[in-house]
Amino acid sequence: GESVGLHLPTLSVQEGDNSIINCAYSNSASDYFIWYKQESGKGPQFIIDIRSNMDKRQGQRVTVLLNKTVKHLSLQIAATQPGDSAVYFCAESYSGNTPLVFGKGTRLSVIA
Amino acid sequence: DAGVIQSPRHEVTEMGQEVTLRCKPISGHDYLFWYRQTMMRGLELLIYFNNNVPIDDSGMPEDRFSAKMPNASFSTLKIQPSEPRDSAVYFCASSFPRYGYTFGSGTRLTVV
Repeated sequence: GESVGLHLPTLSVQEGDNSIINCAYSNSASDYFIWYKQESGKGPQFIIDIRSNMDKRQGQRVTVLLNKTVKHLSLQIAATQPGDSAVYFCAESYSGNTPLVFGKGTRLSVIA
Repeated sequence: DAGVIQSPRHEVTEMGQEVTLRCKPISGHDYLFWYRQTMMRGLELLIYFNNNVPIDDSGMPEDRFSAKMPNASFSTLKIQPSEPRDSAVYFCASSFPRYGYTFGSGTRLTVV
């Protein structure tokens, strides 16, 4: 499949454990943030988003935390499964109508 | 909905040849984006359209690159002449304002 990146930070977790993937964003004016998952050979897939008026948002098995003070975003995945193995990207935009700017990505490897 | 459809999935061409990548966005989405993904630079925005009008093409690397959106259901990205350094995965994405983008599966371009 398409090559995403050979030198990405990698997080290895045991199946069933919780995963935390971190992201530092660059623009203090950004007010909309998204996490994407990219599996080998596929395009990025939307996971969850959060706006700057929130500091936490939960989805199914995923939670996004936003700390605007230090411009930090994290994605927590509960009970990590082999199917969660992928590259995860955070993305930010200002006003929600400007194009998303993507981070470099983190590769999550789930050990069965 | 079939999602964002890109063609071809893979393209191998010789240096100097013209390459045309195609994208069909999700019906009703106002925005269309072209991104390029490489190991070194990650996901980079090339150009985006709103209601078929190009809004920002500052990410287009050179005059060799051009993009069009003749109607709401079709866009092309053309490289003429192609060079080996253009080898990358090219993604098209579409969205409503203030919503996460839906990406296509990408076109892997190899220029030899």
